[in-house]
Order: sequence, then C-alpha cells, then structure tokens
Amino acid sequence: EAGVAQSPRYKIIEKRQSVAFWCNPISGHATLYWYQQILGQGPKLLIQFQNNGVVDDSQLPKDRFSAERLKGVDSTLKIQPAKLEDSAVYLCASSLVRWGGDTDTQYFGPGTRLTVL
Amino acid sequence: AQTVTQSQPEMSVQEAETVTLSCTYDTSESDYYLFWYKQPPSRQMILVIRQEAYKQQNATENRFSVNFQKAAKSFSLKISDSQLGDAAMYFCAYRSHQFYFGTGTSLTVIP
Repeated sequence: EAGVAQSPRYKIIEKRQSVAFWCNPISGHATLYWYQQILGQGPKLLIQFQNNGVVDDSQLPKDRFSAERLKGVDSTLKIQPAKLEDSAVYLCASSLVRWGGDTDTQYFGPGTRLTVL
Repeated sequence: AQTVTQSQPEMSVQEAETVTLSCTYDTSESDYYLFWYKQPPSRQMILVIRQEAYKQQNATENRFSVNFQKAAKSFSLKISDSQLGDAAMYFCAYRSHQFYFGTGTSLTVIP
C-alpha cells in the first residue's frame, strides 16, 4: 500500500513570494490533515478535510494561507505572501475515517521543508 | 483550551534498558483519545500507541506500554528492552474535536 505522498520535499523562497505544496493521501482515505511543524515544536493542525469539505480550519491563518481538496482526493496548501515565520515543515496526513477506533489512525507523509529568506 | 505538555526535552537510555517518557494534558472534555507518535530523523511520523479515555486498561503494543492516569491527566510511555531503532523524537498527542501535539522528547539510545 502506497503511503502519503508530498511534494516538493524542500522549498526555498524569498519573503512575500508565493508557494504551494501538494499532498496525495493513501487511496480510500476520506480525511486529510495539514500540519505546520516549526523547528523544535510539535505539529500544529492547520486544516482538516473530510472528503472535499473543510471540517476544521480554526488555526489556519486565512489572510495568507489557503487549502483545497478538489474531488476529495489530493490537496494543495498555498501561502501567499510568505513571511519569515512561515519557515517550517508542512506535514500532510490522512486517515480512513475522521473518528472511529483504529480506522482514524493518521498516516503521515514525509513533509515539505519550507525556508523563507 | 486543551494543552499537551512534555516536560522532558531530551532523554537517554542504555540499550536493553527501560525508559519512561512523561506527558500531561489539560482538558475539560470527557471523551478523547491520547497518542504517542515517533518521528525518526527522516521525519516521517508514525503512530506508536493509542489510548481511548473511556478505557481503564492501559494500552500495550509489544515493547511499548502506557500508564494512563485520567484523574491526574497523565499519559506516560514506557519503552522496555530499548533498541537502537527506538532513537527518535516522541510526541504525545491529544484529540477530541481537535488535535494537539506536545513539544516532543528526543530519545537517545546508547549502545
């Protein structure tokens, strides 16, 4: 079974530029999560999708961050414009269901390391 | 607001010995889940063990077990017979309607 795929693995941009990250979840997983992990900290949930609908985006900085999951499969996370403090690893995870025993176990991708100069 | 606290930024253990990683959390919810995740240097996070709050029995997964004290809001991870491959960052996480991670504990295994 293929895992969660993310691209690119690394990205370096200047502040005020735009950047987009892509995530392809495990086949059949209805729930998709985007996390921001700043160096030395635990992951922070940015947004959660159930199929192609947003379940929770309460911690997403909506003035500069946006995310979509068209067709309920892969997803993109965009930052526009980027700030220095956006430097972090962006992790994508997916689960079979959102809430329900072992089937809500999250599987993580390798992450995208973003550096904003 | 829910918070997860890991008070040990770094821990070390001799190979084959036992180590316990601490985690406390704050919540007013009665129905929630607790997790321990492992993040090796390659950065792919994997689930180690999970505990449902309504279950009194502590979860175990092979060499990994938890000590869940609901009243004290404590959720520690015990790793028995430590192996070199156990070296990683370990994150404690809490979930009810939201997901919260602690700041992590870096575990070093000494040969």
